Amino acid sequence: KAGVTQTPRYLIKTRGQQVTLSCSPISGHRSVSWYQQTPGQGLQFLFEYFSETQRNKGNFPGRFSGRQFSNSRSEMNVSTLELGDSALYLCASSLLSDYEQYFGPGTRLTVT
Amino acid sequence: QKEVEQNSGPLSVPEGAIASLNCTYSDRGSQSFFWYRQYSGKSPELIMSIYSNGDKEDGRFTAQLNKASQYVSLLIRDSQPSDSATYLCAVTGSGGGADGLTFGKGTHLIIQP
Repeated sequence: KAGVTQTPRYLIKTRGQQVTLSCSPISGHRSVSWYQQTPGQGLQFLFEYFSETQRNKGNFPGRFSGRQFSNSRSEMNVSTLELGDSALYLCASSLLSDYEQYFGPGTRLTVT
Repeated sequence: QKEVEQNSGPLSVPEGAIASLNCTYSDRGSQSFFWYRQYSGKSPELIMSIYSNGDKEDGRFTAQLNKASQYVSLLIRDSQPSDSATYLCAVTGSGGGADGLTFGKGTHLIIQP
């Protein structure tokens, strides 16, 4: 069974731009969560989607948003990029919300 | 504010010995507990999950949970150099997975040949 895939793997953007990251979960998994990982803050929860509904959101500004499609694929968007948004963005999928989460390889975003 | 605390290390263990990693969490309502391994430059890899008090064994790994003490641990027996990595403890909140996982900062484990 194929794992979680994320595209693109690497991205360089300029301050003020916006970016969209994509995640395809493991086949059959309906829950998709997004995390931001930085050296200083570690792994932090962004939001979780289940059956196209955002069920919870972490402590991030409204510039961070996401959505989930009917095939469980998910996208996250960051608008008006700031230098501090430079991070590894990780997507994780699980069969149901309370089950084990499996991470994709991540998208490394650099904001200059 | 949910918190998960881990000793950042580095924790240095001789090859073949038992590595013991510890984690405490603040949310008494936490329901599910996970250990992830993360190699440098890679994404976290799930190695163990535990949901009820006691021990759970999987190969060389044993997870231990004590909800009364709000304490989770991971034992790695017969440690190998390939076990050298950062180990992340993660817990769900009282809302389950919909609250997302709260991660500790990780313990850097070094297995010395």
